[in-house]
Amino acid sequence: DVKVTQSSRYLVKRTGEKVFLECVQDMDHENMFWYRQDPGLGLRLIYFSYDVKMKEKGDIPEGYSVSREKKERFSLILESASTNQTSMYLCASSLVAGYVYEQYFGPGTRLTVT
Amino acid sequence: EDKVVQSPLSLVVHEGDTVTLNCSYEVTNFRSLLWYKQEKKAPTFLFMLTSSGIEKKSGRLSSILDKKELFSILNITATQTGDSAVYLCAVSSGTYKYIFGTGTRLKVLA
Repeated sequence: DVKVTQSSRYLVKRTGEKVFLECVQDMDHENMFWYRQDPGLGLRLIYFSYDVKMKEKGDIPEGYSVSREKKERFSLILESASTNQTSMYLCASSLVAGYVYEQYFGPGTRLTVT
Repeated sequence: EDKVVQSPLSLVVHEGDTVTLNCSYEVTNFRSLLWYKQEKKAPTFLFMLTSSGIEKKSGRLSSILDKKELFSILNITATQTGDSAVYLCAVSSGTYKYIFGTGTRLKVLA
């Protein structure tokens, strides 16, 4: 079974802090994604990566950056956390391009910024 | 703008009932439609549909896609309390692009 893990289930940070969310997948998937999930808005794509060191902006990249130094690990960075970044963050991975594959999701990190 | 709309937003039924969840979409460059079940944690994959009119089944769950009318339904028969969850519909319009609906929250009462 594919396993996608995220570093924290719950996180509370203060405004202005730098926040790191980590995601690790164990199935050698090429694609990795970061979403945020908010009530009434569904899942919105922040960034995705299709290979090591490769990244593309999603629909809402402002205020976020990402890092993918190893194939299995994809990090989301909030450079200076703000209260409007309070949300559930979900990481996902999938097999590579040329076809559409289902995404496998991690358990999520519920981030609260105070 | 691409969009995926799910209905109803929420639903309460009793064990043993049959439910139908709807997903309509307006997406350029449609590739596939996916259904996920989300309990209090990670969404888990249920079905992926790419061809119109072909039903996919897994136990009490089934789903079908109508590419002409741009919608899909997810049926759950003989519901159980363990079916209580948020059901997410997503449409892929490219290898990396998945557009999600806001979900249908299903509660099954014993």
